[in-house]
Amino acid sequence: EVQLVESGGGLVQPGGSLRLSCAASGFTFSSYEMNWVRQAPGKGLEWISYIRTDGTAMHYADSVKGRFTISRDNAKNSLYLQMNSLSVDDTAVYYCAASISGWNHDGFDVWGQGTMVTVSS
Amino acid sequence: IVMTQTPLSSPVTLGQPASISCRSSQSLVNSDGNTYLSWLQQRPGQPPRLLIYKISNRFSGVPDRFSGSGAGTDFTLKISRVEAEDVGVYYCMQATQFPYSFGQGTKLEIK
Repeated sequence: EVQLVESGGGLVQPGGSLRLSCAASGFTFSSYEMNWVRQAPGKGLEWISYIRTDGTAMHYADSVKGRFTISRDNAKNSLYLQMNSLSVDDTAVYYCAASISGWNHDGFDVWGQGTMVTVSS
Repeated sequence: IVMTQTPLSSPVTLGQPASISCRSSQSLVNSDGNTYLSWLQQRPGQPPRLLIYKISNRFSGVPDRFSGSGAGTDFTLKISRVEAEDVGVYYCMQATQFPYSFGQGTKLEIK
């Protein structure tokens, strides 16, 4: 079964850091581009980051550029999101997502259940 | 690219059609000639689910009452006959260029 499982969320103070993980299974992780998408409570979806299969190219939303870093470990079938300088506006459910039925820009057909990040003092 | 959906809320009677519009601030035609506009459904408490990709292609397992159309900057998702399980929020998403972007979402509810 194709699966993405996020972990690492929790409560963090403003200005703090957190590292999210996404464990992939059921497909050849190293062959697929990966993304992070977030959703603030009661709000819509926001794409925040992308990484190429071999980790040599990354893209970010302006809202997180310079603060968040996406990475992957293909040997461990894992995707990561290092989040620094967190603010209350970063409070959201964070999803990892991928397109495994086509190319990344065909649309994300696999999503994790999400991990909640709460930034509060 | 800014994606704008209308309406933001759509009360529909069971068995009746529904339509959601999505407009992009610039053309979504990629340099490869494809238009990377997809539609996703998010049921309450669930992660999003892909319905339509590249404007009009239904993803595997998606009922044929869902259809997508459009070109350039204007796109539409139609549900021919709304069923109770269709309740949720629908998002368009462009993946033609980075940063990718979603519409604000349209909440579909039953009258």
